Amino acid sequence: DTGVSQDPRHKITKRGQNVTFRCDPISEHNRLYWYRQTLGQGPEFLTYFQNEAQLEKSRLLSDRFSAERPKGSFSTLEIQRTEQGDSAMYLCASSRSDTGRGNEQFFGPGTRLTVL
Amino acid sequence: AQKITQTQPGMFVQEKEAVTLDCTYDTSDQSYGLFWYKQPSSGEMIFLIYQGSYDEQNATEGRYSLNFQKARKSANLVISASQLGDSAMYFCAMSRGYSTLTFGKGTMLLVSP
Repeated sequence: DTGVSQDPRHKITKRGQNVTFRCDPISEHNRLYWYRQTLGQGPEFLTYFQNEAQLEKSRLLSDRFSAERPKGSFSTLEIQRTEQGDSAMYLCASSRSDTGRGNEQFFGPGTRLTVL
Repeated sequence: AQKITQTQPGMFVQEKEAVTLDCTYDTSDQSYGLFWYKQPSSGEMIFLIYQGSYDEQNATEGRYSLNFQKARKSANLVISASQLGDSAMYFCAMSRGYSTLTFGKGTMLLVSP
């Protein structure tokens, strides 16, 4: 059983460029989450999907951010017109919605974004 | 709104000793879950332990136990017999509606030989 994978692991971009991150969840997991973690802070929720439906978006997710999960498998997170404040670690997690352990989420290794 | 508070920015413990990491929470929900995750320097979040709000017994997972005091709204993590590999950042988190997680700011644990 492979874990959650994310690609790329690191991304350096110039301000104003668009970037896209990919997350592949654990295969039998129907829920997929995106979080953002800045230095010295805990992860903050961005958005989550159950199958292909995007069920919730945080107020942190500005109009420049968009996430998709076509066919309920992998997900992409796109940031348009990046700003220096977007520099952070972007974490993806997945879970099953029917566990008895309160929706235990398994995290990927993260994508570290640096905006110059 | 949910809130998680971890008041210890850093903790030091000697190898083989036990350590308690504090976590208090605030929520108006009756049903919720409490989690602890470990984040080593590599960055990946590793699930340690879960406690449901209706669970009457404290959760245990190997060397980890969760001291759940509902009336005090606290969910402290106890690590017994610390090991050098336990040095990492530890996050307390709460689930809202058994979906999204709200995290605290974390506690850095350093285990010395």
